Amino acid sequence: GESVGLHLPTLSVQEGDNSIINCAYSNSASDYFIWYKQESGKGPQFIIDIRSNMDKRQGQRVTVLLNKTVKHLSLQIAATQPGDSAVYFCAEASGGNKLTFGGGTRVLVKP
Amino acid sequence: DAMVIQNPRYQVTQFGKPVTLSCSQTLNHNVMYWYQQKSSQAPKLLFHYYDKDFNNEADTPDNFQSRRPNTSFCFLDIRSPGLGDAAMYLCATGRDIQGETQYFGPGTRLLVL
Repeated sequence: GESVGLHLPTLSVQEGDNSIINCAYSNSASDYFIWYKQESGKGPQFIIDIRSNMDKRQGQRVTVLLNKTVKHLSLQIAATQPGDSAVYFCAEASGGNKLTFGGGTRVLVKP
Repeated sequence: DAMVIQNPRYQVTQFGKPVTLSCSQTLNHNVMYWYQQKSSQAPKLLFHYYDKDFNNEADTPDNFQSRRPNTSFCFLDIRSPGLGDAAMYLCATGRDIQGETQYFGPGTRLLVL
């Protein structure tokens, strides 16, 4: 079946540096993508989303890039802070289907 | 503030003893979802309600049931919890199913003894 997966299970980043979290998806019909942040013991928190008619979208300190040619999604976090330490999930949906979650990447911010 | 609320945050039950987890929302969303999340894994969708219409995922065990008495509340019933059902259970809401953001509650962590 279709799936969404991440390249790196754990990402260690120095405080103040930029982080890049990658996600590959296999369903070429996917047209909606979301990034969630999940801190330990909490539910996933919406960060940013993007639709397939865009290739870039920016939020506060975060940018999502979508490359439909290679079916790749990335989340960039600028000036990573200790509060950014969490597990990040990408999720995708196609047409009227429900979200499919990727496997998650743990981000560890080193002081 | 509008939000998704889950109670309790932690639930301990005994093997085989029925347990009910609760979710409520003030977002007035049409869709309510229940997910199971095990350690270091992505959330796994169990089922969802679109308004009053129940939609079960094909691989959700019969042991898991759900009720949605009104727009605001949705319950997850585990009829005979096994040790393998210990997990975080997440409730989420959405305005619609089609390409819409889902908003998650804080989750209920279930421990089965």
